[in-house]
Amino acid sequence: RKEVEQDPGPFNVPEGATVAFNCTYSNSASQSFFWYRQDCRKEPKLLMSVYSSGNEDGRFTAQLNRASQYISLLIRDSKLSDSATYLCVVNLAYGGATNKLIFGTGTLLAVQP
Amino acid sequence: DTAVSQTPKYLVTQMGNDKSIKCEQNLGHDTMYWYKQDSKKFLKIMFSYNNKELIINETVPNRFSPKSPDKAHLNLHINSLELGDSAVYFCASSLRVERRQGAYEQYFGPGTRLTVT
Repeated sequence: RKEVEQDPGPFNVPEGATVAFNCTYSNSASQSFFWYRQDCRKEPKLLMSVYSSGNEDGRFTAQLNRASQYISLLIRDSKLSDSATYLCVVNLAYGGATNKLIFGTGTLLAVQP
Repeated sequence: DTAVSQTPKYLVTQMGNDKSIKCEQNLGHDTMYWYKQDSKKFLKIMFSYNNKELIINETVPNRFSPKSPDKAHLNLHINSLELGDSAVYFCASSLRVERRQGAYEQYFGPGTRLTVT
């Protein structure tokens, strides 16, 4: 079983649609969680951290369910510029000032005009 | 200003050669990382250094040798390059999110696309 699993997609949605991505992780010792976005031939960029209480940043809402080891990302009112690969990322702390990020394989989103 | 920079951006070389990739961060972070992203786009950690000390070494062939001269720099030297080394190599550095103890955010460089022929 992969440590972090995501539906690879692609998700093809029209502009203005709401789209949800799901992710599950296998290591219950995981301490923190993130969604990263990666555009074609670019580096991953942090989209948002995911907190236990859930958090929202504009059109983006992230949820965490520790009991089910499940993370979600909701994008409302999709824009063409949202087209990218969305990476679910789980942090395994090594202690001190370092940590190890485990990346999912990503979900490809294509927003159509 | 570039936060995490890597050189070169593209590297094309032949099997058996030795090459280096350099990384620098101006964010004042203490921890730096090397990741490899293969042709299937899977991103996997290779090494992590905290304040010049090796912390994580993930089952990487010893042809790969990271070096950190100071906490702002982490270089990667690769000996005897093989076809399977072709990938995009990303450097990253981490910021501690103070309001969530233990939650760290990593910032990535633009990547070095290595092609071994």
